[in-house]
Amino acid sequence: GAVVSQHPSWVICKSGTSVKIECRSLDFQATTMFWYRQFPKQSLMLMATSNEGSKATYEQGVEKDKFLINHASLTLSTLTVTSAHPEDSSFYICSARGEWGGTSGRSGYEQYFGPGTRLTVT
Amino acid sequence: AQSVTQLDSQVPVFEEAPVELRCNYSSSVSVYLFWYVQYPNQGLQLLLKYLSGSTLVKGINGFEAEFNKSQTSFHLRKPSVHISDTAEYFCAVSDLGANTPLVFGKGTRLSVIA
Repeated sequence: GAVVSQHPSWVICKSGTSVKIECRSLDFQATTMFWYRQFPKQSLMLMATSNEGSKATYEQGVEKDKFLINHASLTLSTLTVTSAHPEDSSFYICSARGEWGGTSGRSGYEQYFGPGTRLTVT
Repeated sequence: AQSVTQLDSQVPVFEEAPVELRCNYSSSVSVYLFWYVQYPNQGLQLLLKYLSGSTLVKGINGFEAEFNKSQTSFHLRKPSVHISDTAEYFCAVSDLGANTPLVFGKGTRLSVIA
């Protein structure tokens, strides 16, 4: 099946520094990638939708200047948390959209998730 | 916009007993439905999905789910649970569009008791 990787798997940084998280689709091309964050014991909340070669679309309440998303190629999207603060500590998960073809004549898209990145800001 | 309701935030169940985790979604013409499992400090693992065809979907680890369009439900079931099934379970829904992200429910914590 389709594989999505994330790097790093965990990172600890000091308050005020920036952290970059990479999301790669390893065996398929993903025109669309999504970034989610998950606080402890909570569900996944969509942060932004990223399309290759264009600006990301951010969800309401997500600061685009703080969470910089770059989708430079069909296999790589990056999320940079700028000037990180302790409240940014969270589990960040990316997903990549791949196309499937159904035997019923319908086709559509399925999301494949990365393993997540645990960010701790001290 | 789609929404997902997982009716139970926590479900305790004894080992080898059956379990059902409930999921309802907001109505739409065509949707895709998914169940994911998340173990502590790990990412999401796809259990099963409904894209089209048979309404009874079988997944990994002995789980299955039934798509019920009239009741807009996609409940997850397992006839006999194991201690290793203790985890967080998320139901998710998506429209057909390529740029449409998955919308997740709040999750159900399944605790299997020995």
